[in-house]
Amino acid sequence: ETGVTQSPTHLIKTRGQQVTLRCSSQSGHNTVSWYQQALGQGPQFIFQYYREEENGRGNFPPRFSGLQFPNYSSELNVNALELDDSALYLCASSNRDHSYNEQFFGPGTRLTVL
Amino acid sequence: AQSVTQLDSQVPVFEEAPVELRCNYSSSVSVYLFWYVQYPNQGLQLLLKYLSGSTLVESINGFEAEFNKSQTSFHLRKPSVHISDTAEYFCAVTRMNRDDKIIFGKGTRLHILP
Repeated sequence: ETGVTQSPTHLIKTRGQQVTLRCSSQSGHNTVSWYQQALGQGPQFIFQYYREEENGRGNFPPRFSGLQFPNYSSELNVNALELDDSALYLCASSNRDHSYNEQFFGPGTRLTVL
Repeated sequence: AQSVTQLDSQVPVFEEAPVELRCNYSSSVSVYLFWYVQYPNQGLQLLLKYLSGSTLVESINGFEAEFNKSQTSFHLRKPSVHISDTAEYFCAVTRMNRDDKIIFGKGTRLHILP
């Protein structure tokens, strides 16, 4: 069984650019959640996708957007990058159709904005 | 809304000594409780969870945590730490019976001293 994978592992961008991060969910999962972990902080919830629909959003501006595909993989897009967007971006997959919805985390993508 | 407070940002402890990492939470509804571990340059791994039943939960590598509803705490303990336990530990909550965001504390860095 393949776990949650993310690509790329590292990324360097400059202010104002746009970035796309990718997440492949674990086999049998239909839900992907995205989190931002700034240096020295705990992860913060960005949003969640369930069966290709956004299903909850944290306190992040609209320039953070996402997609979920029919195979349940997901993308996180960030437009107009700011220096404070530098962080580790984690995705987690789960199955909302189960009674308890444990989220399994990927290794993360480290984004540096210069 | 839910919140999680980890009272110590760093905890130094000698190898083979006991350790306690403190966690308090706030929530107006019932929650599930978690401890996650993040080893250097890696993603998050679930260490243990409290869903219901016995208030003392254990992990396979010797950690345990006790849910105390009256004190709204979920402290993590290990009777004898090893150098391999060096990591960041995050306490987290999610609303019971809701398949949405996980709220994390800011983390506690465990330093094992030789």
